[in-house]
Amino acid sequence: AIRITQSPSSLSASTGDRVTITCRASQDTRSYLAWYQQKPGKAPKLLIYAASTLQSGVPSRFSGSGSGTDFTLTISCLQSEDFATYYCQQYYSYPITFGQGTRLEIK
Amino acid sequence: EVQLVESGGDLVQPGGSLKLSCAASGFTFSSHWMSWVRQAAGKGLEWVANIKPDGSDKHYVDSVMGRFTISRDNAKNSLYLQMNSLRADDTAVYYCVSGKYGSGNVCDYWGQGTLVTVSS
Repeated sequence: AIRITQSPSSLSASTGDRVTITCRASQDTRSYLAWYQQKPGKAPKLLIYAASTLQSGVPSRFSGSGSGTDFTLTISCLQSEDFATYYCQQYYSYPITFGQGTRLEIK
Repeated sequence: EVQLVESGGDLVQPGGSLKLSCAASGFTFSSHWMSWVRQAAGKGLEWVANIKPDGSDKHYVDSVMGRFTISRDNAKNSLYLQMNSLRADDTAVYYCVSGKYGSGNVCDYWGQGTLVTVSS
C-alpha cells in the first residue's frame, strides 16, 4: 500500500496568514491526489483533486500543486472558516490511502 | 441537491454482524463509483471499500477483506456494506461517499455518517 505522510500534523496560524501543508507519498502517484477539509463533527469536504484542480464552489485562496511523490496545499489568506483538519488522499492505486491529517488551529 | 443518508449503525458484540445502508438522491446514482470510508473517534480517515457503477468491480482495504462485502442496488439508489466477524477496531463512524464522475476514486459527496460500535 502507498503510505502518505502529511506534515505538519498540527499548525497554528492567524487570520490572513498564508499556510502550506505537505503530503509525501511512498511511491509515485502521478497526479492522483486529492485534498479534503473536515470540521469537528462534520463530514469531510472535497477541496482539490488531480493535485491542483479546484472543486467547484471552493474559494480560490485554496490551491494545490505537485506530482509524483510530493504535494502541497496552500491557503493564501486564512479566513476564520478555514480552521479545520485537512487530509490528503492518493487514489492512484488500491488500497486508496489518506494522510494522517493536519490540524490547523488559530494562533 | 446531492444527499447521502446512512443508516444501520449500532452497538454490536465482537464477532457479530451488521449491515449498513446508504440512500442516495440528487444525482444519477447508477453512473457513479461509490465508497465507504470510516473514521474512528479522534482518528483519521480510512477508505474501506468501493464498487463500480454497475457493481461488477469491487475493492477492499486489506483489514476488512473476507469480512465485509460492499454491494449496491441501482434500482433503489442504495449502497450497502455487510460487515461480518466484527472486531473492536472496526468501531468508527462509517461514511457513504460518492465518487466524482470521471474520477471515481475522488470522494465527491459524503453522507453524515453512521456510528458502528463493536464492544461486549
